[in-house]
Amino acid sequence: DSGVTQTPKHLITATGQRVTLRCSPRSGDLSVYWYQQSLDQGLQFLIQYYNGEERAKGNILERFSAQQFPDLHSELNLSSLELGDSALYFCASSSQTVYNEQFFGPGTRLTVL
Amino acid sequence: SQQGEEDPQALSIQEGENATMNCSYKTSINNLQWYRQNSGRGLVHLILIRSNEREKHSGRLRVTLDTSKKSSSLLITASRAADTASYFCATASGGGADGLTFGKGTHLIIQP
Repeated sequence: DSGVTQTPKHLITATGQRVTLRCSPRSGDLSVYWYQQSLDQGLQFLIQYYNGEERAKGNILERFSAQQFPDLHSELNLSSLELGDSALYFCASSSQTVYNEQFFGPGTRLTVL
Repeated sequence: SQQGEEDPQALSIQEGENATMNCSYKTSINNLQWYRQNSGRGLVHLILIRSNEREKHSGRLRVTLDTSKKSSSLLITASRAADTASYFCATASGGGADGLTFGKGTHLIIQP
């Protein structure tokens, strides 16, 4: 158990809908990262937040957004969902040291029908 | 885009044998990390090696890093059935606190 929690575990929705994925980092970690894992694209970094502020952006679509709250939990919002958005979405956290090990949550499996 | 490329894509060995996986990357890095993933579940952090390190050990794991060749290897000694999983290398560039860039992974099967 990495100490990172994600809810829900599974999500099934229809095209065009909007969903919110939630992540709670390990105790004491200020950085939260979101990743997407799909069969065709592999594991891709989406976005990073540090202590409530956006720190870095990866291959995140404009239809996707995220935020980190004062209690450090984070939410990833996916809107106007398409079939291709079906994937595993992982959250990771780190203590933001220079050599930061990232610890991953169990993921949310999103299926768009 | 994928920075790391693991080799081989799949590896099947007998229990008790050693397993070696390789990873190549393209740009300069701050550190390289190896992760294990069991059948679509979460990623488990195995080991991190810094760009100024050449070798690191953790239990049955040995990782090497050759920055001149932009490559790393993960050796699992005395493999067990429970080692069956996909293994990914991930690189961190810049200050090291950026998002990780993952390879496509090596699927390791340990036959009992």
